[in-house]
Order: sequence, then structure tokens, then C-alpha cells
Amino acid sequence: GAVVSQHPSWVICKSGTSVKIECRSLDFQATTMFWYRQFPKQSLMLMATSNEGSKATYEQGVEKDKFLINHASLTLSTLTVTSAHPEDSSFYICSAAKTGTNYGYTFGSGTRLTVV
Amino acid sequence: AQSVAQPEDQVNVAEGNPLTVKCTYSVSGNPYLFWYVQYPNRGLQFLLKYITGDNLVKGSYGFEAEFNKSQTSFHLKKPSALVSDSALYFCAVRDQKGGYQKVTFGTGTKLQVIP
Repeated sequence: GAVVSQHPSWVICKSGTSVKIECRSLDFQATTMFWYRQFPKQSLMLMATSNEGSKATYEQGVEKDKFLINHASLTLSTLTVTSAHPEDSSFYICSAAKTGTNYGYTFGSGTRLTVV
Repeated sequence: AQSVAQPEDQVNVAEGNPLTVKCTYSVSGNPYLFWYVQYPNRGLQFLLKYITGDNLVKGSYGFEAEFNKSQTSFHLKKPSALVSDSALYFCAVRDQKGGYQKVTFGTGTKLQVIP
């Protein structure tokens, strides 16, 4: 149990285009999901906390207009990188917290974004 | 504020030898502590967690970790390393105070098991 599916696993896009990444909890409901960004050989940086039915909470320094987060249901959160640029190339990982627990975080398999 | 320190960027160990990956933490209250493993271009896989109770926590793939409150440490250990254990390991912490508070990750330790 507690599986999180992240799609796509990798994507290449042209500068100026937008890319949507999906994070789904397959066998549990997740009121809260988290989006992380990982630079090469570095730790995970929390970008935002996504809450079902409300606006996401962004960490300091993260551009909310560039990284659009939507958490429309208890099993799906999406991250859209708008007007992508090469510096947005990174590894993006989501995690989900099972509703009713406050410590069980399950991670998706990550999305490698390359902007050319 | 909460923080995690993994003092070693890389740990090398011979196959069959015991391994230890170090982690110390800082939180204002009581901690939830986690270890995750990451293989290249993959997401994080959960290994084990400390919530409360027994200080020695056993997890996946033969790994265990010991919670030491006085030393604020949560070192990851395995009695006998395998080549397949070679990966990037992250320690993480969050405060037990309620709600879905964010988890803070350490900088990661690359474990290299030498055949």
C-alpha cells in the first residue's frame, strides 16, 4: 500500500513552453502533497505544499507564477512549469501524506525535466 | 527551525563489512526521523522511521537505525554491506508538533560498497 505515481518520468521541452507533471496517490487519499526540486548532487529542496481544494503554500524564493500547483482531488496534484527555461532543468519529486496520519510520507519516482 | 546534518559526503565500505551512515538533527520539540535511499534518476525509497518507542528501529533491506536523544543522532547501520546497497542516502526530520509540517532533508551521503 501507499503508492505514489509520478508522470512523466522524464520530459524534454523547448524553451518557452509549459510542462505539466502529475502526482497521484494510487491507493490512498492524500489531503496534502509536497513538491521538491533536486539539483545534481544536492539535497531535496521543498518548493511548495499542496493542499486539496485550496491554494498551495510556496517556500520562500519559489516563484508561484512560474510553478503552478493544482490539487483538485484527494488523489491528484499537478505541477506546471510555465514558460520553461534551461535553468528550470532539474529533477522534480512529489510526496504525499496519507489523510489521517501526520508522519507517513510516500515519494513518487521523480520527473527529470530538460529544457532545451 | 529544524535541520539535519549528514557530515559525510561519501562513505566507502567493503562488501560484507558493517556500514554506518551518520545523521544528526535539530528540532525544537520531539522529532520524527526518517531514512530514504535514492538510486540514480529515481525517486526516494523509504527505509525506516522513528516515531516513538524503541530507540532501535529496523527497516527495509536489513537496515536499522538507532535514535539517540542525548546526542541528537539517528545513524543508519547495516551489519553486512552488499554491493547493491550502493546509492545515495538521505536522513530527514520533522517536528512532531501537529499538522503536515514539512520534512527537512540532509544533504545526502553517497554509499559506495566495494566488491
